[in-house]
Amino acid sequence: DADVTQTPRNRITKTGKRIMLECSQTKGHDRMYWYRQDPGLGLRLIYYSFDVKDINKGEISDGYSVSRQAQAKFSLSLESAIPNQTALYFCATSDVAGTSTDTQYFGPGTRLTVL
Amino acid sequence: GENVEQHPSTLSVQEGDSAVIKCTYSDSASNYFPWYKQELGKGPQLIIDIRSNVGEKKDQRIAVTLNKTAKHFSLHITETQPEDSAVYFCAADDNTDKLIFGTGTRLQVFP
Repeated sequence: DADVTQTPRNRITKTGKRIMLECSQTKGHDRMYWYRQDPGLGLRLIYYSFDVKDINKGEISDGYSVSRQAQAKFSLSLESAIPNQTALYFCATSDVAGTSTDTQYFGPGTRLTVL
Repeated sequence: GENVEQHPSTLSVQEGDSAVIKCTYSDSASNYFPWYKQELGKGPQLIIDIRSNVGEKKDQRIAVTLNKTAKHFSLHITETQPEDSAVYFCAADDNTDKLIFGTGTRLQVFP
């Protein structure tokens, strides 16, 4: 089984709808991240969480919210989807390696289309 | 904050040739520089990383070099094979345990 899973894998929705993307991990990591990938723009951080009680905004958090339900679960919500939120979304996890940044493990991605 | 630039955006090579992807970063305090490979339909996966206390690291056909003075680092793939075709991302840490990613390089290896 995959260590980091994302549901759904594909979603088509309409402008104004509320959407939730879910991420689960079995790696036992405390740190979880949500990224957005757009062609030519790379991976941009939306929100991140270093433990269950910690939630932080990333580079592009406007229009998004998150919930860390447990160590293993981190959900991303679009309260009112708009077409420019059409993108590929990735969840990632990482361990705490002392004071050093450590490897991030990515899920398979969710392709979201907002019409 | 940290800014990472990556070049080229696309790279086509003949099988067996070498490929080089270059990145520059802005924050001199950064000390962790990973490279990720993203195959079609999958999430990025770490292929090699380097920390600021070394200048070069190799793993079979891939190597990464780091020049802290110039604030740039590069990925070198030798003897390329069709399965090396993918999108490659460089990244640098921002000194708060987050990664800032480059914009990606699409590598195509032609048989």
